Amino acid sequence: EPEVTQTPSHQVTQMGQEVILRCVPISNHLYFYWYRQILGQKVEFLVSFYNNEISEKSEIFDDQFSVERPDGSNFTLKIRSTKLEDSAMYFCASARKGSGANVLTFGAGSRLTVL
Amino acid sequence: DAKTTQPNSMESNEEEPVHLPCNHSTISGTDYIHWYRQLPSQGPEYVIHGLTSNVNNRMASLAIAEDRKSSTLILHRATLRDAAVYYCLIIQGAQKLVFGQGTRLTINP
Repeated sequence: EPEVTQTPSHQVTQMGQEVILRCVPISNHLYFYWYRQILGQKVEFLVSFYNNEISEKSEIFDDQFSVERPDGSNFTLKIRSTKLEDSAMYFCASARKGSGANVLTFGAGSRLTVL
Repeated sequence: DAKTTQPNSMESNEEEPVHLPCNHSTISGTDYIHWYRQLPSQGPEYVIHGLTSNVNNRMASLAIAEDRKSSTLILHRATLRDAAVYYCLIIQGAQKLVFGQGTRLTINP
C-alpha cells in the first residue's frame, strides 16, 4: 500500500537553529499538508499546498515557517529559527482529490526536540 | 467548519462491537463525515467517510442518522490493536481537516 514517508524520524536541535523536515508524498497525490502535535495535545493544522503554492495556512504558520516542493517529489517544511515551543511531532499528509471526499494519508511523523 | 461533539473516552472488551458516537448538528448539505484514528505514537489514519448513506469498509461501518446531525462509527469486533483516539470530522469542499480532542478508546482483553 502506498505510504507517505517522512525524514528524519527524530531531530534534536538547539534553539535558534534552522530545521528542515522532509516528506515524500504518495506519487499521484496533488494536495499536501503539514500538521503538528505537541505532546499530549491535539493534532493542529499548519499549512496546505496545491499547485505549487500555499492554499491555506493557520495562525501557527508564521514567518518562521516555509514550505517547498523543490523537485516534484519531496515536500519540505522549514523552520528558520526554532523556538522551544516548536518541539512537537510534525506530520505530513497528502491527498489525491480536493473535495469533501478528500482522504488524507499521513506519514509516521518527525519528532522535533528543541533544546 | 461544522463542530463535532464526541465523548472524551470509551471502553470496550476485546471481540465485542464498539459504537463510537458523534454529534454534528450544524452539518450542512454538502459536508462529508470523516473518521480518522490515531494509534499510540503514530500519525492519524483514515478509517471511513460518508455523505448520506451508511458505509462499510474492511475497517469499520459508518451509520449516518437520517437528518445527518449525528453518526456512529461501528467496529464490529474490537481487537487490542483498535485502541486509539478516534476523530470525527466534518469536511466541506477542499477544506483542511480540523481535529478535535476525539474519543480515546480503550479495549480490555
